[in-house]
Amino acid sequence: DSGVTQTPKHLITATGQRVTLRCSPRSGDLSVYWYQQSLDQGLQFLIQYYNGEERAKGNILERFSAQQFPDLHSELNLSSLELGDSALYFCASSVAGEIETDTQYFGPGTRLTVL
Amino acid sequence: ILNVEQSPQSLHVQEGDSTNFTCSFPSSNFYALHWYRWETAKSPEALFVMTLNGDEKKKGRISATLNTKEGYSYLYIKGSQPEDSATYLCAFFRASGTYKYIFGTGTRLKVLA
Repeated sequence: DSGVTQTPKHLITATGQRVTLRCSPRSGDLSVYWYQQSLDQGLQFLIQYYNGEERAKGNILERFSAQQFPDLHSELNLSSLELGDSALYFCASSVAGEIETDTQYFGPGTRLTVL
Repeated sequence: ILNVEQSPQSLHVQEGDSTNFTCSFPSSNFYALHWYRWETAKSPEALFVMTLNGDEKKKGRISATLNTKEGYSYLYIKGSQPEDSATYLCAFFRASGTYKYIFGTGTRLKVLA
């Protein structure tokens, strides 16, 4: 158990809908990262927040957005969902804000299925 | 297009064998390389963060080396055990104007008892 929690574990929804995934980092960690694992694309980095501010951006679609709250938990919002958004979404956290050199601890993931 | 390639894609070894895998990445604008271990139905687990050419890191029976000039990193497992069965992923950071953090497709290792 890494200490990173994600809810919900599974989510099934329809195309065109909007969902919110939630992540709580390990106690003391200031950075939160979001990743998408799909069958055809492998693991992709989406975005990083550090102490409430966006720090680094990867392959995140415009239909997706994220934020980190004062208590350091983070939410990933996915809107206008398409079939291709079906994937496993991971959250990770680290102590500091240096994605290049920090050790990241991954949560158990949220499995999103878009029908 | 930035490519991070891992080889082999998969391999089976006998318990007690030593093995190694390769992660190849663009040698220009290198910043850092990460190795992860990912067991089936679990989450990725960070193994190593490597930043300097010639870096060697070790964690128990697993070690890694880095050659940034030629663009590759090796991961070695000594005396493989069934619990080493997992997918081993590398992720490459490029230091340039456009931020890039790219994962390889992984090497799937199965250790047979």
